[in-house]
Amino acid sequence: ETGVTQSPTHLIKTRGQQVTLRCSSQSGHNTVSWYQQALGQGPQFIFQYYREEENGRGNFPPRFSGLQFPNYSSELNVNALELDDSALYLCASSVGQDPGYTFGSGTRLTVV
Amino acid sequence: KNEVEQSPQNLTAQEGEFITINCSYSVGISALHWLQQHPGGGIVSLFMLSSGKKKHGRLIATINIQEKHSSLHITASHPRDSAVYICAVRYQKLVFGQGTRLTINP
Repeated sequence: ETGVTQSPTHLIKTRGQQVTLRCSSQSGHNTVSWYQQALGQGPQFIFQYYREEENGRGNFPPRFSGLQFPNYSSELNVNALELDDSALYLCASSVGQDPGYTFGSGTRLTVV
Repeated sequence: KNEVEQSPQNLTAQEGEFITINCSYSVGISALHWLQQHPGGGIVSLFMLSSGKKKHGRLIATINIQEKHSSLHITASHPRDSAVYICAVRYQKLVFGQGTRLTINP
């Protein structure tokens, strides 16, 4: 079985631009959650998708949005990028309410 | 006050030492995770606990639900154990601690 794959691994964007990050969940997992990890900090919950619907959101503005596809892969979109959006973005997949998670290796986003 | 507090934030030890990292939380949880993060950023799940104790190789994790406290122990530590160790609790979502940066010197 494959794990969680995130792409790209690294990305540099300019302030004001838009970015899309991608996550392929582990086989058999129907829930995807996204996290932002600033340098030296623990990850912060952005939102979670279950069967293509958002079913939980952290304290992030609406310019952070997402999608989950029928194959349970997911995208994180960030509009109007700000310098503070520079971080490691982690994706994790799980099965419904099962508390086990599989994490991806993350996408490191730098906004200049 | 953060919902999940880890201590210490940084820990440096010599190879072979016994390591303990602590995690306290303030909410009712369904599970607690211990995670390992290497410099590249990827996170590996070490343990998921809802009660008692789990052991995997040189790693041992314990949890006391009544006291809302968990510990991760590493026996006979090795330089390859150097990483950031993160405690995360699940009650409606995953809430992470700040992490403990562990450095094991040869």
